[in-house]
Amino acid sequence: DFQMTQSPSSLSASVGDRVTITCQASQGIQKYLNWYQQKPGKAPKLLIYDASNLETGVPSRFSGSGFGTDFTLTISSLQPEDIATYYCQQYHNLPPTFGQGTKLEIK
Amino acid sequence: QVQLVESGGGVVQPGRSLRLSCVASGFSFSSYGMHWVRQASGKGLEWVAVISYDGSNRYYADSAKGRFTISRDNSKNTLYLQMNSLRVEDTAVYYCASSRSGWYGLFDNWGQGALVTVSS
Repeated sequence: DFQMTQSPSSLSASVGDRVTITCQASQGIQKYLNWYQQKPGKAPKLLIYDASNLETGVPSRFSGSGFGTDFTLTISSLQPEDIATYYCQQYHNLPPTFGQGTKLEIK
Repeated sequence: QVQLVESGGGVVQPGRSLRLSCVASGFSFSSYGMHWVRQASGKGLEWVAVISYDGSNRYYADSAKGRFTISRDNSKNTLYLQMNSLRVEDTAVYYCASSRSGWYGLFDNWGQGALVTVSS
């Protein structure tokens, strides 16, 4: 199985800050990397697919980059409603595997 | 709009069985691969199983292999997860998810989740 490692596991930032979360795959996964946002008590929501494509309806302050083994999710200007846990996930191979999550809090 | 609604969760003793259902609406269910993903309380997301759009192919996580069966009824727009020989460690919220990429898991829509508690 492909292992996905996210960092940091938690992050505290101020409104308006630029926030970056990284995800590393144990093997090359080309572009097949998705990012999800999960708020407490809710189902995950797709934010970014294929490493850099913004899902319809997702604010443009979210962006993704990377290819192969190293990927990044960036929030250009943190908003209070962005407080959530973020997961990366590869779908290059079965089984699909998730990172352990990054919990984002407001400072 | 797209809706996935799970049902069938509950409290069950170890070793017993439970069947989850997921009713889909707002999209062409019979054209999509469908998945189950679970999440234990306070933990991360764990993929469980996938079924192809026509039900002809299935694949399971090692933790589910031999105990869980994923199936679908396209005439009823419904996905199922039959869980047998349940263990305490199967306690989790179970989500059904549609996959835009079909088999491989680009999870574009999720249900609200069904809580399964395995306890004596």
